[in-house]
Amino acid sequence: QSALTQPPSASGSPGQSVTISCTGTSSDVGGYKYVSWYQQHPGKAPKLLIYEVSQRPSGVPDRFSGSKSGNTASLTVSGLQAEDEADYYCSSYGGNNKVVFGGGTKVTVL
Amino acid sequence: EVQLAESGGGLVQPGGSLRLSCATSGFTFSSYWMNWVRQAPGKGLVWVSRIQTDGTKTAYADSVKGRFTVSRDNAKNTLYLQMNSLRAEDTAVYYCARGKSGGVDLWGQGTLVTVSS
Repeated sequence: QSALTQPPSASGSPGQSVTISCTGTSSDVGGYKYVSWYQQHPGKAPKLLIYEVSQRPSGVPDRFSGSKSGNTASLTVSGLQAEDEADYYCSSYGGNNKVVFGGGTKVTVL
Repeated sequence: EVQLAESGGGLVQPGGSLRLSCATSGFTFSSYWMNWVRQAPGKGLVWVSRIQTDGTKTAYADSVKGRFTVSRDNAKNTLYLQMNSLRAEDTAVYYCARGKSGGVDLWGQGTLVTVSS
């Protein structure tokens, strides 16, 4: 079971949008609607941003949105703010009761 | 308030054992799948293990299968991870996380496990 593939870094200026990809296979991302996204600030526990590809938990700003096409899921952060600078991870259900995470993407707000 | 609090981490020699606990409160523990996720220093998140609501089904990452055992006590609202034959590469912060829709939604603050001689 291999980790999902994310770009190591992404960046944008305040107010701009940034999109992070998460590529898996038909056995995980492409095979289920169970893709989640998490935000992690340094030294902190991760926080759920998106579940089931595009659903936002209560309290998560609508600046965060998710989508999926085939074996690739994406997280878009619109209207970038300084506090959005963090590491972002995707995860997917991988079948057989297993979960797989992506390698993480460091987002820098320029 | 929903809380997940891990404990039991520490320094252990290679080949040794450690048992992590995760005490939960603020939600119906017995209704949720629970997970362990780890993060080596400076590295990304890696899923370790998952257990069904009643404990009858479990799953493990290939890297820990046969060495780690996940269990739960629904009467005590507590999740466990028994870790045997520990290796240097098991060094990480171990997070307890509540399951949601094939992923996780709530995380504890983590407990650090260091495997070193």
